[in-house]
Amino acid sequence: QKEVEQNSGPLSVPEGAIASLNCTYSDRVSQSFFWYRQYSGKSPELIMSIYSNGDKEDGRFTAQLNKASQYVSLLIRDSQPSDSATYLCAVGTPPTDSWGKLQFGAGTQVVVTP
Amino acid sequence: DAGVTQSPTHLIKTRGQQVTLRCSPKSGHDTVSWYQQALGQGPQFIFQYYEEEERQRGNFPDRFSGHQFPNYSSELNVNALLLGDSALYLCASSLGQGTGNTIYFGEGSWLTVV
Repeated sequence: QKEVEQNSGPLSVPEGAIASLNCTYSDRVSQSFFWYRQYSGKSPELIMSIYSNGDKEDGRFTAQLNKASQYVSLLIRDSQPSDSATYLCAVGTPPTDSWGKLQFGAGTQVVVTP
Repeated sequence: DAGVTQSPTHLIKTRGQQVTLRCSPKSGHDTVSWYQQALGQGPQFIFQYYEEEERQRGNFPDRFSGHQFPNYSSELNVNALLLGDSALYLCASSLGQGTGNTIYFGEGSWLTVV
């Protein structure tokens, strides 16, 4: 069983719509959760971090965390063509996360269509 | 504010050769982690350096080794290259040690083994 799972996509989203990305993780003691955006041929760029249950909003992005269900999601509102990228979910689990080790999913490809 | 810098950006090596990749962390950061990202996969943790010592290692063979210098910069060395070592190698930096630390990636080094 993979430790961090994401739907590979591609997720096709009309411009202006909401993109919803999901991620599940296997280790119940995981404490830190991150979403990275990766454009084709580029390195991952941090979008959001979340540590507590509930929602966290930053501009058009909202991260949602439910530790009981071991589930974290990312919503992208008013999707733009520039949001077309692969979105990586990353999970940090003590104590290894203190050493910079994150577990990544394989990513969900998002395609925003005009 | 200088971000994480890596060199070289692209390189091609032959099977059996050795390669050295270099990384300078983000200004103010003292911890460097290295990740390997194969095509279509999420980044996989290789190891982390803090205070010039390897603090944790992922599931990678001893052919992968590293070093951290007093100025916090780091090198990743891979010996006896295999075709399967072809990947994007990402350096990530963070500050200190602690659960939930955010890591920031450099632009990566694309390694092709032929």
